[in-house]
Amino acid sequence: GEDVEQSLFLSVREGDSSVINCTYTDSSSTYLYWYKQEPGAGLQLLTYIFSNMDMKQDQRLTVLLNKKDKHLSLRIADTQTGDSAIYFCAESNPDSGAGSYQLTFGKGTKLSVIP
Amino acid sequence: EPEVTQTPSHQVTQMGQEVILRCVPISNHLYFYWYRQILGQKVEFLVSFYNNEISEKSEIFDDQFSVERPDGSNFTLKIRSTKLEDSAMYFCASSVEGLIVASTDTQYFGPGTRLTVL
Repeated sequence: GEDVEQSLFLSVREGDSSVINCTYTDSSSTYLYWYKQEPGAGLQLLTYIFSNMDMKQDQRLTVLLNKKDKHLSLRIADTQTGDSAIYFCAESNPDSGAGSYQLTFGKGTKLSVIP
Repeated sequence: EPEVTQTPSHQVTQMGQEVILRCVPISNHLYFYWYRQILGQKVEFLVSFYNNEISEKSEIFDDQFSVERPDGSNFTLKIRSTKLEDSAMYFCASSVEGLIVASTDTQYFGPGTRLTVL
């Protein structure tokens, strides 16, 4: 079945850029997402990208998609202490029939921002 | 801003007992989901629900699990006879449509219920 992998930890200094990486196995993934989870809170959708796009930028967030390598990354510019959270990569394939609406998540990358 | 709420935030139960986890989805949403995350593992899809019936379920969602929308606001997950391996964080989510078609049409998640089975 589909699988999504990401590194578990990332530590950056405040003001630096953070890059969180993710790989996935389902070549027919149509939608790819980044969710953020702050302590005690639910999963908040940060951004998403369709598989026919290479890049998407939204303020401090830049998503890069390398469909050939099945690699997705999230870059956070000027990382702040408030960005400290767990970031989940997820994918879905609405055209797959069974399981079309479910999200497949990675384990999450814990981003720690050092002041 | 509307949000998905879940109760309780933490549930402790004895193995073999029944538990009911409760969720209040966003009011105009039509699709409802349960996911779980065992400590240190991935967030896993359990079930989706639309129009008062299950639309999809994963292999995890066996006969011990059931979902219900008992009224116009609540969406519940019942585990009939809990096992130690059911200990996890359970997330409820809702969306307007099952398929994300616009930036505002997405699965919104609740804060989760941490289930501990002793």
